[in-house]
Amino acid sequence: ETGVTQSPTHLIKTRGQQVTLRCSSQSGHNTVSWYQQALGQGPQFIFQYYREEENGRGNFPPRFSGLQFPNYSSELNVNALELDDSALYLCASSLEWKGVSSYNEQFFGPGTRLTVL
Amino acid sequence: SQQGEEDPQALSIQEGENATMNCSYKTSINNLQWYRQNSGRGLVHLILIRSNEREKHSGRLRVTLDTSKKSSSLLITASRAADTASYFCATDGGGLLMIKAAGNKLTFGGGTRVLVKP
Repeated sequence: ETGVTQSPTHLIKTRGQQVTLRCSSQSGHNTVSWYQQALGQGPQFIFQYYREEENGRGNFPPRFSGLQFPNYSSELNVNALELDDSALYLCASSLEWKGVSSYNEQFFGPGTRLTVL
Repeated sequence: SQQGEEDPQALSIQEGENATMNCSYKTSINNLQWYRQNSGRGLVHLILIRSNEREKHSGRLRVTLDTSKKSSSLLITASRAADTASYFCATDGGGLLMIKAAGNKLTFGGGTRVLVKP
């Protein structure tokens, strides 16, 4: 158990709909990153939030957006769902990064499995 | 896009045997990590090796890193049925691009699916 929780566990949507996925970070962690993992592939970085601001984004369109709240929980929102958005969505929380030579372990939640029909 | 390529894509061994998997990456890195994932669920951090390290051990795990070849290997010794999972390498070299970052962006390989037969 990493202390990172995600909800819901599974979700089924249809094309064109909107979805909100939620993540509760490990206590004291002020950074959350979101990853998309398509079936049979490795996770791909969507974006990261630090102190409620987006801080780094991967190769994902603007219809993928996020929020981080003062209690460091966060949301991933996806608008105008497409079939290719079907994937496991993982969030990971970590402590504040203090420079290139440092590393803070990212703790992953169990993921939300999104199916778009 | 995936940073790393993992080899093999799938591996089937008997309990007690060793399992070796390799990871290659493309750009310079700060650290390289290995993760395990059971049945498409969350990722479990196994071991981290820094760019200035060449080998690291943790229990039955041994990781090597060759920055000149941009490659790493993960060895699991005396495998158990419970080791059945997908294994991913992940690099973080994005720190320089994320000045305000708190926690580095991870770039994952495609994974190796390991089946340990009892």
